[in-house]
Amino acid sequence: AQKVTQAQTEISVVEKEDVTLDCVYETRDTTYYLFWYKQPPSGELVFLIRRNSFDEQNEISGRYSWNFQKSTSSFNFTITASQVVDSAVYFCALRLIQGAQKLVFGQGTRLTINP
Amino acid sequence: GAVVSQHPSRVICKSGTSVKIECRSLDFQATTMFWYRQFPKQSLMLMATSNEGSKATYEQGVEKDKFLINHASLTLSTLTVTSAHPEDSSFYICSATTAGGPHEQYFGPGTRLTVT
Repeated sequence: AQKVTQAQTEISVVEKEDVTLDCVYETRDTTYYLFWYKQPPSGELVFLIRRNSFDEQNEISGRYSWNFQKSTSSFNFTITASQVVDSAVYFCALRLIQGAQKLVFGQGTRLTINP
Repeated sequence: GAVVSQHPSRVICKSGTSVKIECRSLDFQATTMFWYRQFPKQSLMLMATSNEGSKATYEQGVEKDKFLINHASLTLSTLTVTSAHPEDSSFYICSATTAGGPHEQYFGPGTRLTVT
């Protein structure tokens, strides 16, 4: 069975600080996708990134960057120069490439950016 | 593209009544739809997977007679909460995926159900 752990339940930082959200996953399968989603107060999930298990390259998109390390089964998410609009709950998720397409979500990290 | 809608966005019903939530893929055909439930300050938990034209597959612990899922067409799936109780109050989110490719899941905006 698959499992995703986000150990940080809540993080609070001051605007312009950098912040890293941790994600650790467990699976016996060698082929899988990893995701990050943002859930603002409105509730709608916003897709941020998908990574497949074959691609360990780090990715940067504006102020967002992701560090994928298979050796430690981690897929961490960093926001640089945080802004108040980044305040939300962030979910890491895993899905196997083969078989059932079920997404397994982590518990989520509530990020609060204070002005 | 790849828009999923849910209706209603918010519903309040009395205990013992049934309520139906619709999930529609607006600009693509969804071979598979998923229903999630999210309690306050908790993560999303998959309730069931539905494929068009066949019975839904429910996750362990989800009562299929209470949460009726119908996926009658490639663009519509419905979740009916029967004989609702206050403990069914939650945020229900659907997602839809297409055949082929990486099977990206597109999420609806969610439906907040309150049972009084």
